[in-house]
Amino acid sequence: EVQLVESGGGLVQPGRSLRLSCAASGFTFDDYAMHWVRQAPGKGLEWVSGISWNSGSIGYADSVKGRFTISRDNAKNSLYLQMNSLRAEDTALYYCAKALGWGLSNSADYWGQGTLVTVSS
Amino acid sequence: QSALTQPASVSGSPGQSITISCTGTSSDVGGYNYVSWYQQHPGKAPKLMIYEVSNRPSGVPDRFSGSKSGNTASLTISGLQAEDEADYYCSSYTSSSTLWVFGGGTKLTVL
Repeated sequence: EVQLVESGGGLVQPGRSLRLSCAASGFTFDDYAMHWVRQAPGKGLEWVSGISWNSGSIGYADSVKGRFTISRDNAKNSLYLQMNSLRAEDTALYYCAKALGWGLSNSADYWGQGTLVTVSS
Repeated sequence: QSALTQPASVSGSPGQSITISCTGTSSDVGGYNYVSWYQQHPGKAPKLMIYEVSNRPSGVPDRFSGSKSGNTASLTISGLQAEDEADYYCSSYTSSSTLWVFGGGTKLTVL
């Protein structure tokens, strides 16, 4: 059974940093691309970032480019999102999602339950 | 404003069919066959219902079907059931630097 468990969310002041983690199990992690998708309270889904199976291809939403960094450790079956210079508009539930295949053109098929990030002073 | 345009709400009675549209551009929906549809119940994570325009993941009922014409993709749910009441989001791969875009979501109400 595919399981994705996010952690690292919390309350943080504007301008500060936070690192999210996603522990994956139930599938061969290094065969698949991974995505981060967020959902602000009461709002729709927004793709944040994606990384191919071998970290060779990485993409970011324009809204986070230059502030967020995605990475993965295939030996640890883990996905990460380093978030710097956080803004109030980054407040959201952040989902880790497994892609259907190894490349970034593959959409997400399995999602975790999310970790909440709140940016507020 | 979302990159893809969906109706805010649709409704139907049990047993009926409904269709949710998702309109983009030639840079996303019209340019790639990487359109997906997600179902999200309140307080739950999204669930993939359709991928690559018209493919259903294992376990998704064949009442759910997807199609695309030009820059508009569609999700059709036939034989509506009460448990289909949820929010539905379309997404598409895009040629822009933001690789994936979502629609604003459609709230389906089963009357």
